[in-house]
Amino acid sequence: LAKTTQPISMDSYEGQEVNITCSHNNIATNDYITWYQQFPSQGPRFIIQGYKTKVTNEVASLFIPADRKSSTLSLPRVSLSDTAVYYCLVGEGNSNSGYALNFGKGTSLLVTP
Amino acid sequence: SAVISQKPSRDICQRGTSLTIQCQVDSQVTMMFWYRQQPGQSLTLIATANQGSEATYESGFVIDKFPISRPNLTFSTLTVSNMSPEDSSIYLCSVVRGGETQYFGPGTRLLVL
Repeated sequence: LAKTTQPISMDSYEGQEVNITCSHNNIATNDYITWYQQFPSQGPRFIIQGYKTKVTNEVASLFIPADRKSSTLSLPRVSLSDTAVYYCLVGEGNSNSGYALNFGKGTSLLVTP
Repeated sequence: SAVISQKPSRDICQRGTSLTIQCQVDSQVTMMFWYRQQPGQSLTLIATANQGSEATYESGFVIDKFPISRPNLTFSTLTVSNMSPEDSSIYLCSVVRGGETQYFGPGTRLLVL
C-alpha cells in the first residue's frame, strides 16, 4: 500500500484558500486518492476522492498531477469550522485492501480569525 | 451516506473490568470495521467484522482482548476486556457503503483508571 507524507500542521486565517499537499511516490496504477476530515470528538468524514486531474465537489477540490505522485486538497475560503485534521489516503478502502483504511498522521489545520 | 450510532458515547471504567461498545447502522451493510484512536494519535484498525464470518484482527490485536460480535447486518459489538489505562482511547466503528466510501460512527471515548 502506498505510503503518504503530508505536513503535520498548517495555520490559516478565515477567508483564505488552504492547500494541503500529500506526497505518494509509490502510488499504484489502480490506486485512488481519498481525503478524510476529522473534527475533534468525531469520527472521520469522507471529503473527496480522485484518480487523476481535478475533482471538485461542494466541499473541496482535489488536484492530481499527471504523474500522480502527489495530490493537493484545496479548501476555498476557509472558516473557523474548517479547523480539523485532514487525512490523505492512497490505495485504501477498496477491494484490494479489504476496504480497511490505513490512516497516516494527517494534517492538523487551525483556522483563526 | 450512512447513519451510525455508538453506545456508550463515553465511559470511565476501572482497570480489570470489561466494556462492550455497540455500533448500530441505519441499514444493512456487509462490511464493518472497528478502529482505535489513542489520545493525539491517528486511527488504527483493530479488526474487520463481516456478518456471517469470524472477525479478522490486525497485528497487535487479539480476540481474547477485543472480542467482536456481528449478529446481523446492522449491528456489531466490540468488547474491551480486562482493561488497563493503556486502553484509554476513542473506539470507532465504520461501514462501507456506496462502493468504497467509508462512514464512521461518532466514537466511544473510554477512560480507564
